Amino acid sequence: QPVLTQSSSASASLGSSVKLTCTLSSGHSSYIIAWHQQQPGKAPRYLMKLEGSGSYNKGSGVPDRFSGSSSGADRYLTISNLQSEDEADYYCETWDSNPVFGGGTKLTVL
Amino acid sequence: EVQLVESGGGLIQPGGSLRLSCAASGFTVSSNYMSWVRQAPGKGLEWVSVIYSGGSTYYADSVKGRFTISRDNSKNTLYLQMNSLRAEDTAVYYCAREGDWGQGTLVTVSS
Repeated sequence: QPVLTQSSSASASLGSSVKLTCTLSSGHSSYIIAWHQQQPGKAPRYLMKLEGSGSYNKGSGVPDRFSGSSSGADRYLTISNLQSEDEADYYCETWDSNPVFGGGTKLTVL
Repeated sequence: EVQLVESGGGLIQPGGSLRLSCAASGFTVSSNYMSWVRQAPGKGLEWVSVIYSGGSTYYADSVKGRFTISRDNSKNTLYLQMNSLRAEDTAVYYCAREGDWGQGTLVTVSS
């Protein structure tokens, strides 16, 4: 069963960019993941599906400021031109026989 | 437009039972894999159970033997039957499919 590792917190300034990382466990570096955003007090929202090749498909209505990339076992979510509404928890997810979630990264916009 | 609407949460005593429902629209529940995911207060997302289009079901170890996932194709609705509830089952329960989440329903297990 894959394990996903995320930093617990990150911060960046309004208008800047931030790159969040989700790392797949050994032996699972080729797995596809999904990124989800959860704003305070709200349900999670699907952002994108991201392949090991770096190819990604975003959900409906996800702004162009959100993009994905990959390197080995690392999957990245980059948010450009940070807005106040981007302050949220970000979770990555993958699948084997069942879904697996990372612990989440709390992003603070300064 | 895809919608997932959960219901059935509430306050229940330890050892009690609840059935959560997730009414789907805009797609066919039986053609997708559907999951229940929960989030305890102040914690991250935890997968609970999944049912695949072929009918196979899987459960997290923490709920195996106590929870049952099912679906009613005629109602296009997903269910989670929760028995022998414990305090540690207190959480917001979300139903989800690839690309979509419901708004969640709160389950509080307390005497």
